[in-house]
Amino acid sequence: EAAVTQSPRNKVAVTGGKVTLSCNQTNNHNNMYWYRQDTGHGLRLIHYSYGAGSTEKGDIPDGYKASRPSQENFSLILELATPSQTSVYFCASGGPGQLYFGEGSKLTVL
Amino acid sequence: GQQVQQSPTSLVLQEGENAELQCNFSTSLNSMQWFYQRPGGSLVSVFYNPSGTKQSGRLTSTTVIKERRSSLHISSSQITDSGTYLCAMEPHMGYKLTFGTGTSLLVDP
Repeated sequence: EAAVTQSPRNKVAVTGGKVTLSCNQTNNHNNMYWYRQDTGHGLRLIHYSYGAGSTEKGDIPDGYKASRPSQENFSLILELATPSQTSVYFCASGGPGQLYFGEGSKLTVL
Repeated sequence: GQQVQQSPTSLVLQEGENAELQCNFSTSLNSMQWFYQRPGGSLVSVFYNPSGTKQSGRLTSTTVIKERRSSLHISSSQITDSGTYLCAMEPHMGYKLTFGTGTSLLVDP
């Protein structure tokens, strides 16, 4: 069964600190995505990747970096976390008609 | 502006009632999907519906690409249907889903 695993599931960070959210998929999908979900905004695309070594900017990339070192792993990096980045982050893998989401990572930046 | 408009924002039903959720798109699209998100949880694809009508159990999705709209019909609602339903559009260029803000559904016993 398709599986997308995120870590950590919960994170509290300080303003200015570095945060790395990790995502692992066992689906052998080329495409992977990072979204954030906020009340009133739905899910918004931050970064995505078409395969190992590639990262592309989504709709709201400012303040975020992404890394895709392998087919299975896709990380979202906040170099200097700010309170406005407090949110729930979802990783997904797949394509049309077969998009699988992780359980989400709740990030609180104080 | 918002490319994907969902309505209603929230809905409360008595168990057994039917529901109709709507999604309207402001730009042309290639296809669309409906997702279900359980409270505090992840998202699961309910329908991938490029066009026409699809049914799965008590759920029916109808997409009319030319009119840039899609609907999700839930018949004989159950308590376990409670959660948030999100629609998402796939634009013509590339696979980057744009999501609506969701409809929060509560089914009471």
